[in-house]
Amino acid sequence: DADVTQTPRNRITKTGKRIMLECSQTKGHDRMYWYRQDPGLGLRLIYYSFDVKDINKGEISDGYSVSRQAQAKFSLSLESAIPNQTALYFCATQMGGASPLHFGNGTRLTVT
Amino acid sequence: GENVEQHPSTLSVQEGDSAVIKCTYSDSASNYFPWYKQELGKRPQLIIDIRSNVGEKKDQRIAVTLNKTAKHFSLHITETQPEDSAVYFCAATGGGADGLTFGKGTHLIIQP
Repeated sequence: DADVTQTPRNRITKTGKRIMLECSQTKGHDRMYWYRQDPGLGLRLIYYSFDVKDINKGEISDGYSVSRQAQAKFSLSLESAIPNQTALYFCATQMGGASPLHFGNGTRLTVT
Repeated sequence: GENVEQHPSTLSVQEGDSAVIKCTYSDSASNYFPWYKQELGKRPQLIIDIRSNVGEKKDQRIAVTLNKTAKHFSLHITETQPEDSAVYFCAATGGGADGLTFGKGTHLIIQP
């Protein structure tokens, strides 16, 4: 959906740099997620948030942090990027439990 | 937490034949099971979903079946076409507390 927007679409950075990936949505959903996709490993949950004051770790949160600045904005940060964080990152929103996720277009991150 | 196993990892079928992808889940409290299709370089898109109070759901050439006792669910695609070639992901969620857990994906190849 164009309703979930991720920026940037592509990013190349060096080891040790701090980087932020941003996600904004116009769907009015409270729930927002960050997933990481690696070939053969599927989509793995990094962090999720059910409202502005709620932040939860997912399966692979080490090395990442998030900020929920508003209902519509959920940012993912890599404090000190390392090469094995090279991956495709997806933000997603959800209206409520037991309902579909709506994904953004993804951010392809390369750490050299 | 939830664990979702998906197989096969690659499936090649002749155009016009049927394709079946199977998933198992671990959390008996899971109550929502979506399937996503991801074309190369694009975001995952929901193609069909099923809730735990339903055993089967169909949408044209696509169907999903759920066996709660055995904790497995399957995607069935009939009369496959070239545009069905993609990676398919199953997912499950239990109670909505920790988002969707995804399988590792099946690369479906439709042979002409």
